[in-house]
Amino acid sequence: DGGITQSPKYLFRKEGQNVTLSCEQNLNHDAMYWYRQDPGQGLRLIYYSQIVNDFQKGDIAEGYSVSREKKESFPLTVTSAQKNPTAFYLCASSINWNGNQPQHFGDGTRLSIL
Amino acid sequence: EDQVTQSPEALRLQEGESSSLNCSYTVSGLRGLFWYRQDPGKGPEFLFTLYSAGEEKEKERLKATLTKKESFLHITAPKPEDSATYLCAVQRRGGANNLFFGTGTRLTVIP
Repeated sequence: DGGITQSPKYLFRKEGQNVTLSCEQNLNHDAMYWYRQDPGQGLRLIYYSQIVNDFQKGDIAEGYSVSREKKESFPLTVTSAQKNPTAFYLCASSINWNGNQPQHFGDGTRLSIL
Repeated sequence: EDQVTQSPEALRLQEGESSSLNCSYTVSGLRGLFWYRQDPGKGPEFLFTLYSAGEEKEKERLKATLTKKESFLHITAPKPEDSATYLCAVQRRGGANNLFFGTGTRLTVIP
């Protein structure tokens, strides 16, 4: 089955530690996205990638970093500079970046602080 | 500035009691409006895309409609399995395929 796989499902971070969230898709989509979801707020865009080896900052990129070395993979690193990392992180993909096709989402990673 | 407001925040319905969810939006040129369903602890599941005022789309007990200022998600004779949070998102014309989301309506259908 084609889809988006996020791992791990739950992740705990210690103070001063960087953690990396995995996102893999087998839909052959060009564009990929990372969102953060907090209670009472809409999904907010962290980073997006229109094509391999390219990515752009979203609305709340500070304290996060990404890479896009392969079409199917778009990992997100939450750095120690992100002071409020506790949230539900969602990865999405779409066929391309400049059309109006829907984005399809993985089942998220819940990050908490120890 | 793009804005998406969903109402009500929460809605409780008896099984079979039809109702509508509202999504009001302000965007500088709408490319598309998207509806998603999200179950607890899961990612959003795509339901519909609407592109222009007057357009309607249906899927089982759900029907989405679009005007120049808002969209409605009509739920006809809901069942308990329709309980979820319903998210609305807009995409601006001329930009990348980025979505701007509302905060959602949490629907509970009571048997």
